Amino acid sequence: SAVISQKPSRDICQRGTSLTIQCQVDSQVTMMFWYRQQPGQSLTLIATANQGSEATYESGFVIDKFPISRPNLTFSTLTVSNMSPEDSSIYLCSVEEGIGYGYTFGSGTRLTVV
Amino acid sequence: SQQGEEDPQALSIQEGENATMNCSYKTSINNLQWYRQNSGRGLVHLILIRSNEREKHSGRLRVTLDTSKKSSSLLITASRAADTASYFCATGRLSGNTPLVFGKGTRLSVIA
Repeated sequence: SAVISQKPSRDICQRGTSLTIQCQVDSQVTMMFWYRQQPGQSLTLIATANQGSEATYESGFVIDKFPISRPNLTFSTLTVSNMSPEDSSIYLCSVEEGIGYGYTFGSGTRLTVV
Repeated sequence: SQQGEEDPQALSIQEGENATMNCSYKTSINNLQWYRQNSGRGLVHLILIRSNEREKHSGRLRVTLDTSKKSSSLLITASRAADTASYFCATGRLSGNTPLVFGKGTRLSVIA
């Protein structure tokens, strides 16, 4: 199965600043998915990132707030922009192992905004 | 919107006992998957059951799927303290290469 390296593992940021989260996959994948997990909650999909095209955002998430890059088939970044305390969450990237198979997740980035 | 809804929200058992978690979902699915998350870290895929399957086993895990009731259950037998984690069900939509929709999760505590 794919191995995902996600960085940073955690960060404490000042409100109004931005943080970029990176995910590196050890194999080429068509789509990468970015999720947010608010404290004590389940995972909510932020966007789907395709290489060579703009990311597709879910309802409630916009590109200006969560810009995503996907420069090649093994790498993606998610930026959390102009952060507020409400952005404090765990952010996770994920790839599908194959249609009808499980997904592999990065280890997550625990973000605290103060 | 949330697709899966797990119950119970929290479960506490003694080591060696069995743990059963349930998941209900709303729309037609291609498959249903169960994941484990330790202490707010990344999720680990446990097992996938396809919509045309009714039961599946993997080690101490047993998953059932009832598409007529839109429900699934995860049974962990002979639980261990290391099984303490949050467990999530997630559904895969009918078309391929689509992201998973997660339920709210069950927090399992196994007491040694």
